[in-house]
Amino acid sequence: DTAVSQTPKYLVTQMGNDKSIKCEQNLGHDTMYWYKQDSKKFLKIMFSYNNKELIINETVPNRFSPKSPDKAHLNLHINSLELGDSAVYFCASSQTPVAGPSYNEQFFGPGTRLTVL
Amino acid sequence: EDQVTQSPEALRLQEGESSSLNCSYTVSGLRGLFWYRQDPGKGPEFLFTLYSAGEEKEKERLKATLTKKESFLHITAPKPEDSATYLCAVHKGYQKVTFGTGTKLQVIP
Repeated sequence: DTAVSQTPKYLVTQMGNDKSIKCEQNLGHDTMYWYKQDSKKFLKIMFSYNNKELIINETVPNRFSPKSPDKAHLNLHINSLELGDSAVYFCASSQTPVAGPSYNEQFFGPGTRLTVL
Repeated sequence: EDQVTQSPEALRLQEGESSSLNCSYTVSGLRGLFWYRQDPGKGPEFLFTLYSAGEEKEKERLKATLTKKESFLHITAPKPEDSATYLCAVHKGYQKVTFGTGTKLQVIP
């Protein structure tokens, strides 16, 4: 199946721990994103990578570090987890158009629900 | 600062009862407006892209329209399977997207 996949789907951990979330897309897209969706369902962009290069880095604590080993993968590592990090994290991908409008729609993964105790 | 506001926050409709969802935005240099549908426990799913005022797009019972200040998602004769949270998002520059807070739609049989 062509899609954006994330692992794990659920992650429960203690405060202070370090954890990673992995994302892979097999759509052949050149841009990948990480979003955080809070309990009020507000979806906020965290990072964007285009061809493995960081394009967007919103106001995110430096405990969050994205890594893109290749165009198809974008992982998110979180150090020293805090209670406020509890949320659903979505990975997404899109393809930069060669011509025409400068932006194409994003395809989202199923999300990773992170719970910090 | 860019703002995207969706209303109402929640909407409950009887099956067949048409209505509209609103997305108001204050964004300088809008490059495109997107509508997504999100089902519980899943990621958002793309519905429409609108690029200029006056543009309209349709898909089954959904129709999206765009003005210079807002977008509407019209739902005609909704069915229970249309129940979901509908998100709008605005694009103002290279890869920069701002989402609204969504409208949770419930369609009752």
